[in-house]
Amino acid sequence: DIQMTQSPASLSASLGETVTIQCQASEDIYSGLAWYQQKPGKSPQLLIYGASSLQDGVPSRFSGSGSGTQYSLKISSMQTEDEGVYFCQQGLKYPFTFGSGTKLEIK
Amino acid sequence: QIQLVQSGPELKKPGESVKISCKASGYTFTDYAMHWVKQAPGKGLKWMGWINTYTGKPTYADDFKGRFVFSLEASASTANLQISNLKNEDTATYFCARTTEGIVADYFDYWGQGVMVTVSS
Repeated sequence: DIQMTQSPASLSASLGETVTIQCQASEDIYSGLAWYQQKPGKSPQLLIYGASSLQDGVPSRFSGSGSGTQYSLKISSMQTEDEGVYFCQQGLKYPFTFGSGTKLEIK
Repeated sequence: QIQLVQSGPELKKPGESVKISCKASGYTFTDYAMHWVKQAPGKGLKWMGWINTYTGKPTYADDFKGRFVFSLEASASTANLQISNLKNEDTATYFCARTTEGIVADYFDYWGQGVMVTVSS
């Protein structure tokens, strides 16, 4: 199985700050990576797919990058509504696997 | 608009069974695979497997072979998850999620609202 190691586990940021979350795959996943945001009591929402493509309707302050085994999600200019838990997911091989999540809070 | 609407919360005793439904609307049900994802309280996301909505063939992740059954009511655009012989560790929220096929990988573009299943004696 492909293991996804996500860091940091938690993060607090000020309004307007740039935030970066990392995800490392245990093998090359050829940019087959997605990022999701989950708010308390809600289902995850797709933000980024294919490592860097922005899902329709997602604000442009979200961006993704990376290749091979190393990927990152960047939020430029943190907003209040960006609080939540962020997960990465590889969709290249079964079983699909998720990172353990990063809890992002406003400082 | 595209929606996946799941059934309501369940409270069950150990050893009982539960069936969760996921009704899709706003798209052609058989054009997209349906997946199931487990989230234990305060924990991360775990992929359980998927069902081919065209053929009805299910595929299960290793940890979900045996007591878990994916099924369809295709005429009703509904996918079901049945869990038998419930255990305390089955207490979790269960999500259905549709996948969209990317160039090299698949991603969950629409999710149900989740069903909380509580197993307690």
